[in-house]
Amino acid sequence: GENVEQHPSTLSVQEGDSAVIKCTYSDSASNYFPWYKQELGKRPQLIIDIRSNVGEKKDQRIAVTLNKTAKHFSLHITETQPEDSAVYFCAAGGTSYGKLTFGQGTILTVHP
Amino acid sequence: GAVVSQHPSWVICKSGTSVKIECRSLDFQATTMFWYRQFPKQSLMLMATSNEGSKATYEQGVEKDKFLINHASLTLSTLTVTSAHPEDSSFYICSASPGLAGTGELFFGEGSRLTVL
Repeated sequence: GENVEQHPSTLSVQEGDSAVIKCTYSDSASNYFPWYKQELGKRPQLIIDIRSNVGEKKDQRIAVTLNKTAKHFSLHITETQPEDSAVYFCAAGGTSYGKLTFGQGTILTVHP
Repeated sequence: GAVVSQHPSWVICKSGTSVKIECRSLDFQATTMFWYRQFPKQSLMLMATSNEGSKATYEQGVEKDKFLINHASLTLSTLTVTSAHPEDSSFYICSASPGLAGTGELFFGEGSRLTVL
């Protein structure tokens, strides 16, 4: 089955700095790579996703890059704000709709 | 986006009792729903795939007799934790996707926090 590794487990940045979270996956058949933000006690919320036919996608301060050959993808958050503080999860899937394997999560803390 | 609703949001029960959690897709039909379990400060672990009109598919290591899943309609899946014990205390989250009818995005319920005393 699919295995997703996520790093780092914790990330602390100053407001305005950039944050980068990286994930690797094992199943070459995976073709859908979403990123979720989860606040304490809440449900995960999709913040951006990318499919295997695209190498990069950007939405305002958030961008995701995908390298299918190396089987890794990354989340980039620029101009971080304190409200970006949360746990971020990467995931991989695509062999069947909705079935995702999640990374271990990254606790992002943005200091004012 | 699509809406997935989960109930109850939190439940406390005594050891040995059974607890049922409902997951509903409110504005789309879902032939497949997914049940995840999340321990504090940990990731979401897929427990099982709920299939409408047929048996659920359980992930390795998940006891099917312990975690009963029923998907009787295209908008409702239920997870029953049978003979609950303190180690079953966790955050249970369901999810569903409109699949080909949508973008493939997965939508999550609010989650149900189970505490077994």
